[in-house]
Amino acid sequence: GQNIDQPTEMTATEGAIVQINCTYQTSGFNGLFWYQQHAGEAPTFLSYNVLDGLEEKGRFSSFLSRSKGYSYLLLKELQMKDSASYLCAVRDGDYKLSFGAGTTVTVRA
Amino acid sequence: IAGITQAPTSQILAAGRRMTLRCTQDMRHNAMYWYRQDLGLGLRLIHYSNTAGTTGKGEVPDGYSVSRANTDDFPLTLASAVPSQTSVYFCASSEGTGAYEQYFGPGTRLTVT
Repeated sequence: GQNIDQPTEMTATEGAIVQINCTYQTSGFNGLFWYQQHAGEAPTFLSYNVLDGLEEKGRFSSFLSRSKGYSYLLLKELQMKDSASYLCAVRDGDYKLSFGAGTTVTVRA
Repeated sequence: IAGITQAPTSQILAAGRRMTLRCTQDMRHNAMYWYRQDLGLGLRLIHYSNTAGTTGKGEVPDGYSVSRANTDDFPLTLASAVPSQTSVYFCASSEGTGAYEQYFGPGTRLTVT
């Protein structure tokens, strides 16, 4: 089976930076995804990493280290609308996605 | 363009009843997936289909069946519902099984009593 770990909850102040860590152990590796999910809604795609390094997309950046089985999602200049769950998902050797339980981020004024 | 639609939005079902959750996509995606999401457990793959006419088992397939008669539709059937199948069910699709993001439907909230 797959093992994907991420913190359960994080709280930060509007305008600040938050880093959500994700560690994984999977059977094979074909990329790591981050999804955002607002309460009561469907997950939406944020980022994809398949090679080591940092991918930047506006206020959001995602980092991957395949040798360490580690990724993080960096949210900069936090806004109230960023309050949501952030899901780390790893595509294994059979191209199936396994999800972590998600990290609920609360942004406070 | 609707993307992915799911029906019903929510349902309360008596244990032992049969239920089909519907999923339709209009993006002509080859691959489709069914997940269930439970508090503290995240999304878990139930069944998947890499292309029309083929299906496969995911992490938690027991008690569920699927069919993929065409590209657009991917229904999920619970033959005899049990309370442990109370969950939020998400259908998703992707262009293919390679390096493609998955697009999720709005979900079906199912309660089995």
